[in-house]
Amino acid sequence: KAGVTQTPRYLIKTRGQQVTLSCSPISGHRSVSWYQQTPGQGLQFLFEYFSETQRNKGNFPGRFSGRQFSNSRSEMNVSTLELGDSALYLCASSLRNSGANVLTFGAGSRLTVL
Amino acid sequence: GQQLNQSPQSMFIQEGEDVSMNCTSSSIFNTWLWYKQDPGEGPVLLIALYKAGELTSNGRLTAQFGITRKDSFLNISASIPSDVGIYFCAGQGGSEKLVFGKGMKLTVNP
Repeated sequence: KAGVTQTPRYLIKTRGQQVTLSCSPISGHRSVSWYQQTPGQGLQFLFEYFSETQRNKGNFPGRFSGRQFSNSRSEMNVSTLELGDSALYLCASSLRNSGANVLTFGAGSRLTVL
Repeated sequence: GQQLNQSPQSMFIQEGEDVSMNCTSSSIFNTWLWYKQDPGEGPVLLIALYKAGELTSNGRLTAQFGITRKDSFLNISASIPSDVGIYFCAGQGGSEKLVFGKGMKLTVNP
């Protein structure tokens, strides 16, 4: 079955712009999590969505937001971009039935803010 | 929030050598996961551990869930060039949110 698909893979924006990233989870997976990866900070949790509801949220400013659609596809949005937002944004999906939350990651969207 | 201390941060080894890395936590976890990330890709799950004391192998990889539930280690035996990448540990506690270590960058010299 198809894996987690993230689009776009690469994008360049300038400060002050906004960006929307998309994630299609593995078929049947209802949970989608987003992470920001930077060289110095590793994987930082942004948020998790399950059945269109935000289930968990990390310590990021309100400029970072997300949503999940009825087909489990998810988008995240970053408004008023800053240079420090340059990172690899990873989406991961899981079954999230109960117990362990084993994530399957997409290849990521690499955002560069100039 | 929960913190994972992953060490070492990087390793440079010769092909054929064994590698050990570990993660420790300030709190108890119910699940430990080990991922590997190749350049330009997302992390891929290597091994999942669900019970304290559990020792699990996947080919040349062996991982253990520490008996205190606050640590885990991963061993790679007889390393090969394709083992190059960043290895992440991840733990899941009561909050159900996965917490990741900062990663261990492995370089294998042929």
